[in-house]
Amino acid sequence: GAVVSQHPSWVICKSGTSVKIECRSLDFQATTMFWYRQFPKQSLMLMATSNEGSKATYEQGVEKDKFLINHASLTLSTLTVTSAHPEDSSFYICSARTGDYQPQHFGDGTRLSIL
Amino acid sequence: AQSVAQPEDQVNVAEGNPLTVKCTYSVSGNPYLFWYVQYPNRGLQFLLKYITGDNLVKGSYGFEAEFNKSQTSFHLKKPSALVSDSALYFCAVRDWWDNFNKFYFGSGTKLNVKP
Repeated sequence: GAVVSQHPSWVICKSGTSVKIECRSLDFQATTMFWYRQFPKQSLMLMATSNEGSKATYEQGVEKDKFLINHASLTLSTLTVTSAHPEDSSFYICSARTGDYQPQHFGDGTRLSIL
Repeated sequence: AQSVAQPEDQVNVAEGNPLTVKCTYSVSGNPYLFWYVQYPNRGLQFLLKYITGDNLVKGSYGFEAEFNKSQTSFHLKKPSALVSDSALYFCAVRDWWDNFNKFYFGSGTKLNVKP
């Protein structure tokens, strides 16, 4: 149980393109999902907390207009990287929790490469 | 402020030997502690958690961790390492008071198990 699916797993696109990443909880409902960014050989950096039916809460230093987050249902959150540039290239990971005191369950990540 | 420290970037151990991956934490209130493992180009997989109760927690794949409140530590252990245990390990902490289940991750420790 507690499976989180993330799609796509790998995307390569041209600079200036907008890219959407989906995060789905397959067998549970997630009122809260999280979006992380991971640089090579580094830890996860929390970008934002996504709450179903309300605006996401962004961490300090994360551009809201650059990284658009939508949590339209209890099983789906999306991250859109708008007008992506090479510096946005990274590994993006989503997670979701099944309950208040439960671990976060992670998707397999999306490798984003901007040319 | 909440934080997690993993003092070792890398741990090397021979197959069959016991392994320890160190983690210390700092939180304002009571800690919830977690260990995750990450394989290349994958998301994080949950190993074990400490919420309350016995200080020795058993988790997946034969791993266990010991919560030590006085030393604010939560070291990951396994009695006999396998080559397949080679991966990146992350310790994470959540403050009991944090309703949004925000996790703070350590910098990660690369475990190398040699045959």
